[in-house]
Amino acid sequence: GAGVSQSPSNKVTEKGKDVELRCDPISGHTALYWYRQSLGQGLEFLIYFQGNSAPDKSGLPSDRFSAERTGGSVSTLTIQRTQQEDSAVYLCASSLALDQETQYFGPGTRLLVL
Amino acid sequence: AQSVSQHNHHVILSEAASLELGCNYSYGGTVNLFWYVQYPGQHLQLLLKYFSGDPLVKGIKGFEAEFIKSKFSFNLRKPSVQWSDTAEYFCAVNTPNAGNMLTFGGGTRLMVKP
Repeated sequence: GAGVSQSPSNKVTEKGKDVELRCDPISGHTALYWYRQSLGQGLEFLIYFQGNSAPDKSGLPSDRFSAERTGGSVSTLTIQRTQQEDSAVYLCASSLALDQETQYFGPGTRLLVL
Repeated sequence: AQSVSQHNHHVILSEAASLELGCNYSYGGTVNLFWYVQYPGQHLQLLLKYFSGDPLVKGIKGFEAEFIKSKFSFNLRKPSVQWSDTAEYFCAVNTPNAGNMLTFGGGTRLMVKP
């Protein structure tokens, strides 16, 4: 596709359930990023991938959060045992390479944990 | 760690008024600077960016920003706003050779009255 796509666009889940969020980056982009946009915290960085590896996982809020990327393309962000404070819009971005490259954002997945 | 401050959280202007949104960052080394815009119901889009060279950067839709290194600032300007500029504006920085993750300011909601 022409841009970054994310699915689902909206997700409502019950506290304690696991959720998986998916990101399809722009074709040919080697770098992929996950961010979270919430009312209280603004836009915060979670994790990035260069190819399939994630050199820096320090932005993940807790060990309930994990992410993987396979084949250098699609990435999934998994939140286990969701909590109400996980409610936010999860944004994915991709760039052609790591440094000096513009990040292009997807439309986000709006997660609501009841 | 770097941080970004946007001092104006909400700005209301009439059409044709001039706009300046403040952005200050805290980091002593080399940074890349960005302004992103999020129109209602849409995803984040890049307005303009500064990597090096001329500190006055021109972006899309008549926006420009000036990097003033001594003031650690990257303020966004537009001489004459339009109703269609109503959106939320985010300033962001990253550090070259450090993974390219963006640190965002808290955002400024701009409302332009017709």
